[in-house]
Amino acid sequence: QKEVEQDPGPLSVPEGAIVSLNCTYSNSAFQYFMWYRQYSRKGPELLMYTYSSGNKEDGRFTAQVDKSSKYISLFIRDSQPSDSATYLCAIWGAQKLVFGQGTRLTINP
Amino acid sequence: DAGVIQSPRHEVTEMGQEVTLRCKLISGHNSLFWYRQTMMRGLELLIYFNNNVPIDDSGMPEDRFSAKMPNASFSTLKIQPSEPRDSAVYFCASSLTQLSTDTQYFGPGTRLTVL
Repeated sequence: QKEVEQDPGPLSVPEGAIVSLNCTYSNSAFQYFMWYRQYSRKGPELLMYTYSSGNKEDGRFTAQVDKSSKYISLFIRDSQPSDSATYLCAIWGAQKLVFGQGTRLTINP
Repeated sequence: DAGVIQSPRHEVTEMGQEVTLRCKLISGHNSLFWYRQTMMRGLELLIYFNNNVPIDDSGMPEDRFSAKMPNASFSTLKIQPSEPRDSAVYFCASSLTQLSTDTQYFGPGTRLTVL
């Protein structure tokens, strides 16, 4: 079993839709949870970071962590074509970042 | 700041050849991470350094892979001899420290194709 599981998609939604991206993880000792965004032919860049259960909002983006279920989510409200990218969850455990497979998201105008 | 700089951006080589990938850290950063990204396996950590010292190289796939950090701002990842299954995008990332709370900043990557 992988330490971090993420559905690779692809996921295609119309502009303005709410997008939900999800990851599960196996180690309950993991404490720090991040979402990276990667545009085509670019390196990943940190989008959001949280270390506690619950929700964290940043503009149109909300990161949610449920430690009891070992489940993390990223919600994008009012999605825009510029949000089209691959989104990778990343979890800090055992002194290193472990990344999910990444979900390729396309927002259609 | 120019961010993390990687070279070359693209590399095409033949099986058996030596490949050297280069990375320049963001000024003032003390930790350096090498990752490999493929469709099948996603983004995998190969090795990371803190203050020029290798801390964890458990992700280095084989002895054919080696990484060095000859000074505080520069690192190389070498593959010798290269094989077709090494084809991937290789990223380096730097952060202020190795702590989990420090953001890792990624370079643009080197796309390696081994024929």
